[in-house]
Amino acid sequence: GEDVEQSLFLSVREGDSSVINCTYTDSSSTYLYWYKQEPGAGLQLLTYIFSNMDMKQDQRLTVLLNKKDKHLSLRIADTQTGDSAIYFCAESMNTGRRALTFGSGTRLQVQP
Amino acid sequence: DADVTQTPRNRITKTGKRIMLECSQTKGHDRMYWYRQDPGLGLRLIYYSFDVKDINKGEISDGYSVSRQAQAKFSLSLESAIPNQTALYFCATSLQGAAEQFFGPGTRLTVL
Repeated sequence: GEDVEQSLFLSVREGDSSVINCTYTDSSSTYLYWYKQEPGAGLQLLTYIFSNMDMKQDQRLTVLLNKKDKHLSLRIADTQTGDSAIYFCAESMNTGRRALTFGSGTRLQVQP
Repeated sequence: DADVTQTPRNRITKTGKRIMLECSQTKGHDRMYWYRQDPGLGLRLIYYSFDVKDINKGEISDGYSVSRQAQAKFSLSLESAIPNQTALYFCATSLQGAAEQFFGPGTRLTVL
């Protein structure tokens, strides 16, 4: 079955880089996503990567995918207090239901 | 205006009551989804619909039913609410062939 795992908590200082890690078990995963959830808000799609890519960069965000190890990471450069939120890793396949399977979320706390 | 809206945003009800949560979208997407979020568990899929006549169960459909009244509307019902259905409920939409899913702001449901 599908399983997506993340560590629960990460604390960094403002200005440092944050790296949030995720592992998944389904080798059929086609797309891998990072969503951000701020307190009391819905989920905001930050970025996603197609499984045939190794890396994707978008401004302060860098996504690295190691398909062999089924490991996905999100690096946030120059982390700001506004980046404090819960970050969800998710995966989906290109066939069938295309619904997302989510990890349990990593709470990022940015210390001023 | 938000593209994906959910009503109500918050609801407190009692065990045994029937509850309906509504989702509307103006994105013109054909696919709609209902997820629930529980602390430490990420989001889990309840039901999904590829179009008005195509409705499918997700991982945790027991105790829930849905109705796709139109392409833009997808409702989730709890026929007889129970306390372990207390959670945050999210509606999402996507376009066939597209990787992204767009989420509503969520409905916080408490069953006493």
